[in-house]
Parts: sequence; C-alpha cells; structure tokens
Amino acid sequence: TQLLEQSPQFLSIQEGENLTVYCNSSSVFSSLQWYRQEPGEGPVLLVTVVTGGEVKKLKRLTFQFGDARKDSSLHITAAQPGDTGLYLCAGLDYGQNFVFGPGTRLSVLP
Amino acid sequence: DAGITQSPRHKVTETGTPVTLRCHQTENHRYMYWYRQDPGHGLRLIHYSYGVKDTDKGEVSDGYSVSRSKTEDFLLTLESATSSQTSVYFCAISESRGNSPLHFGNGTRLTVT
Repeated sequence: TQLLEQSPQFLSIQEGENLTVYCNSSSVFSSLQWYRQEPGEGPVLLVTVVTGGEVKKLKRLTFQFGDARKDSSLHITAAQPGDTGLYLCAGLDYGQNFVFGPGTRLSVLP
Repeated sequence: DAGITQSPRHKVTETGTPVTLRCHQTENHRYMYWYRQDPGHGLRLIHYSYGVKDTDKGEVSDGYSVSRSKTEDFLLTLESATSSQTSVYFCAISESRGNSPLHFGNGTRLTVT
C-alpha cells in the first residue's frame, strides 16, 4: 500500500505570516492533488500536479511536485484567516485511485 | 458546487444493527466513491463504482457493501455496525479516473454505540 505522510500535523500562525506544509512518501505517484477541507464540509480540490519538478501558483498559494514525484509542498504567502482549514494531499496510485495523507490542520489567527 | 447530497447527515446507531447511507448526484458522473475519514488516517477508500451495477473494493472494504442501481445513486451498507465503524463518511464523484478531480459531498457522521 502506498502511503503519504504530511507535516506538520498542526500549525497555528498569525495573519500575514508565510508557511510551508509538506507531503512525503517513499512511493512514486503519477500525479498529486491538494485539497482544502473546512469543518462540516467535504474536501475541495485546489490543484493537480503531474510532472516532476512542476510548480503551480494559485494566488498566494504555491504548489511544488518533487523531481522524483515522491513528495510535494504547499507554500502560503501572507496567510489570511480564510486560509484556515485542513489541507490534504492525495497521490494517484497504480490502481488509479487516490491515496490521501492524514492532513495538516492550519489555523490563521487575526 | 457539484450536486452531491448525502443522507442522513448524522446518525447514531447501536452495535449489530444494519445501516445504509445514501449518496445522490445530479452531475451524471460515471464514477462514485465512498471514503471514511478518521483522525490521523485521512480519507480511506471503502468502495467505488465505475457504472451502474459495476463496483469494486477499496482499501478498507471489510464490513461494508455497496450498490448502484441508478447512475445518480450510490448506497453504502453496514450489514452489522461495529464501534470501529464510527467515522465520518464521504461520498465523492468524478467524470473519469486518473487525474480527474474528486467532488465531495458534505459527509455523514455515523456513531455506533
């Protein structure tokens, strides 16, 4: 079974700070997705990265897929309270299903 | 937002009773999935469907069965609920496999006492 680890597990920061969260595996994934989940709701897709070394930007969010396609990072610049939520990474496994990491719970304080 | 409705949103049941959770979609997507979400484990795939009456097992399928008699409905059944099945259950849909985005419902919180 392909597994994904995420770090840190919890992160609490002040508004305006920068942060990076990580998604790591010993396995290679053909692609990786990042989702954000708010309390009482289902996860919502933020981005899909496919190519090793790929960098994608979504406003203040920057996503990177590792060269070896085993890891990924999400960097948020000037975090805002609206960024609060659970960030999940999901790697596409050999059976064409997504394997999810346990998530990083981010709290941005005003 | 994708049209996905899960019912019920909350349920408390006793050990040994059967439970059925329903997922209804209005997007006409071919693929439907059931996940459970537990602290420290993220989302784990229970079963998925790739068409009417076509289903397959996921990572944690023991103790669960599914049925899909219509494109829009995907049912998850716990034949005899156990306390280890206390969880939040999410239904998801996608247009295709691979990199196609998953669209999730808002979940069903199930407590087995």
